[in-house]
Amino acid sequence: EPEVTQTPSHQVTQMGQEVILRCVPISNHLYFYWYRQILGQKVEFLVSFYNNEISEKSEIFDDQFSVERPDGSNFTLKIRSTKLEDSAMYFCASSADRGLTDTQYFGPGTRLTVL
Amino acid sequence: AQSVTQLGSHVSVSEGALVLLRCNYSSSVPPYLFWYVQYPNQGLQLLLKYTTGATLVKGINGFEAEFKKSETSFHLTKPSAHMSDAAEYFCAVSDNAGNMLTFGGGTRLMVKP
Repeated sequence: EPEVTQTPSHQVTQMGQEVILRCVPISNHLYFYWYRQILGQKVEFLVSFYNNEISEKSEIFDDQFSVERPDGSNFTLKIRSTKLEDSAMYFCASSADRGLTDTQYFGPGTRLTVL
Repeated sequence: AQSVTQLGSHVSVSEGALVLLRCNYSSSVPPYLFWYVQYPNQGLQLLLKYTTGATLVKGINGFEAEFKKSETSFHLTKPSAHMSDAAEYFCAVSDNAGNMLTFGGGTRLMVKP
């Protein structure tokens, strides 16, 4: 069964450093998403991406964040200058369509720890 | 704005007992509702979803949920818990554009032998 994959599973970085989290969505999917979950808190939407552009983003997704689909398979989330409060589990998701009835398939997540 | 509240961050049941995980939502438009499950070290997996039509929705692994508009609820049930059901369960609501999911805080289900 096709699945969304994410690398690395755990990333440790120093405050102020740039990190790139990588995701490989399901191959025929067209819509891509990033969510995050700070320890003990809710899963929160960050951004959605379609046709090489952001279609929606939350307040969390400020200028420190960017997303890119550099080739036909990867979808990345970059944090330019990490802060302690960026420590969280980051989930990538993809869906075949944006329809209300369509399902978002999630990857296993990358745990980001900022020291 | 939409929101989801899951009552009970931890629920413990005995194997074979009824599972009931509660979810209430707030939405200004007709909601589309989802339950996801997360097993340790894995991603979120869709259990079931309600979009339109029948309000009782059946999902994988014997779970079902009923959409009750009057109570703004979408509780998840399973008649008989199995040890393999131990996981974290998330209720979510989709916005009108079907673009982003708003999640509840999650409920960790523990199943005792």
